[in-house]
Amino acid sequence: RKEVEQDPGPFNVPEGATVAFNCTYSNSASQSFFWYRQDCRKEPKLLMSVYSSGNEDGRFTAQLNRASQYISLLIRDSKLSDSATYLCVPSTGGFQKLVFGTGTRLLVSP
Amino acid sequence: SAVISQKPSRDICQRGTSLTIQCQVDSQVTMMFWYRQQPGQSLTLIATANQGSEATYESGFVIDKFPISRPNLTFSTLTVSNMSPEDSSIYLCSVVTRTGFANEKLFFGSGTQLSVL
Repeated sequence: RKEVEQDPGPFNVPEGATVAFNCTYSNSASQSFFWYRQDCRKEPKLLMSVYSSGNEDGRFTAQLNRASQYISLLIRDSKLSDSATYLCVPSTGGFQKLVFGTGTRLLVSP
Repeated sequence: SAVISQKPSRDICQRGTSLTIQCQVDSQVTMMFWYRQQPGQSLTLIATANQGSEATYESGFVIDKFPISRPNLTFSTLTVSNMSPEDSSIYLCSVVTRTGFANEKLFFGSGTQLSVL
């Protein structure tokens, strides 16, 4: 079983739509969680950290479910610029222990 | 966030040769790492670059193949030695910076696209 599993997509949505991605992780010792976005042929960029209580940053909402070992990312009012690959990244402790998922690709169309 | 300059941005190399990738940060950072992202794959940590001492390598990566230097807190190099086509990949420098009280985050350089013929 992979340490991090994500639906590769692509998720094709129209502008203005709401879209959600899930990610499951296998290591129950994971303590920290992040979402990164990666544009084609670019470096990953931190989108948001995921806190136990869930957190929101503008149109983006991240949730953590430790019991079921998954995290989610919800994007509201999708923009064309949201088109990217979204990487789920749990960590069992410290930045040396980050495990990157292969990502979910999102395509937002006019 | 820190400004990370990585070069070269891309290179095409012959097998058997070596390439050194440089990473320069505009501020002191707590940690520096080197990652690899092979086509269609997720990011894999190669090693932690330690200032003034030998790098800490992850399983599957060795110093002879990927020598790393970090002479100070803001600069590091990764060398890909005796290259083969299997080394074709994107190599990424990353750093941990403190963005606030007890708040550290990981940022990436723009990457080096390496193609080995």
